[in-house]
Amino acid sequence: KQEVTQIPAALSVPEGENLVLNCSFTDSAIYNLQWFRQDPGKGLTSLLLIQSSQREQTSGRLNASLDKSSGRSTLYIAASQPGDSATYLCAVRYNYGQNFVFGPGTRLSVLP
Amino acid sequence: SAVISQKPSRDICQRGTSLTIQCQVDSQVTMMFWYRQQPGQSLTLIATANQGSEATYESGFVIDKFPISRPNLTFSTLTVSNMSPEDSSIYLCSVADGILGNQPQHFGDGTRLSIL
Repeated sequence: KQEVTQIPAALSVPEGENLVLNCSFTDSAIYNLQWFRQDPGKGLTSLLLIQSSQREQTSGRLNASLDKSSGRSTLYIAASQPGDSATYLCAVRYNYGQNFVFGPGTRLSVLP
Repeated sequence: SAVISQKPSRDICQRGTSLTIQCQVDSQVTMMFWYRQQPGQSLTLIATANQGSEATYESGFVIDKFPISRPNLTFSTLTVSNMSPEDSSIYLCSVADGILGNQPQHFGDGTRLSIL
């Protein structure tokens, strides 16, 4: 069964810390992976899309890496800010043309 | 990226009634989807909205309960029929251009639905 897990389920850090969110998937032969942010009661904001041929993608303070052999992706957030507080979702597309399988998310709180 | 507008943003409905949610995109897109997010859960795909034909439903979702329309490449509606408290969720419209996988997938702000 194609599944996506995310650890930790929740994370609380003081402002300014660098942090890593983890995403694991069950089949290393994925097509691509996308990280999203969701604010409470809101929709999803696309952060980074990383194709299976790529090792990492960067946008501002965010860096997503992909290691297919170990079935893992990490989202690195540098110099965290209270505005980064949200739930971060990892979504894996296992095959071309197939819909995403979503992870349960990591709820991040950045304390001022 | 495409700008997606969903209406209503939230609603409180009575058991047994139906509600239609609208999704408008500011550009033509190939793929449109409807997702459900139950409280404390991740996203579950309800169906793919196909232009000019019947939607493609995922396992566990049926047309009688969630009828979907997509009259053109920029607009779709999802109706939640004969609602019960178990239907209380956030319903999200999502779009992608081209065949799934080449471009990022984008989401609207969602419709928060509460059933009394």
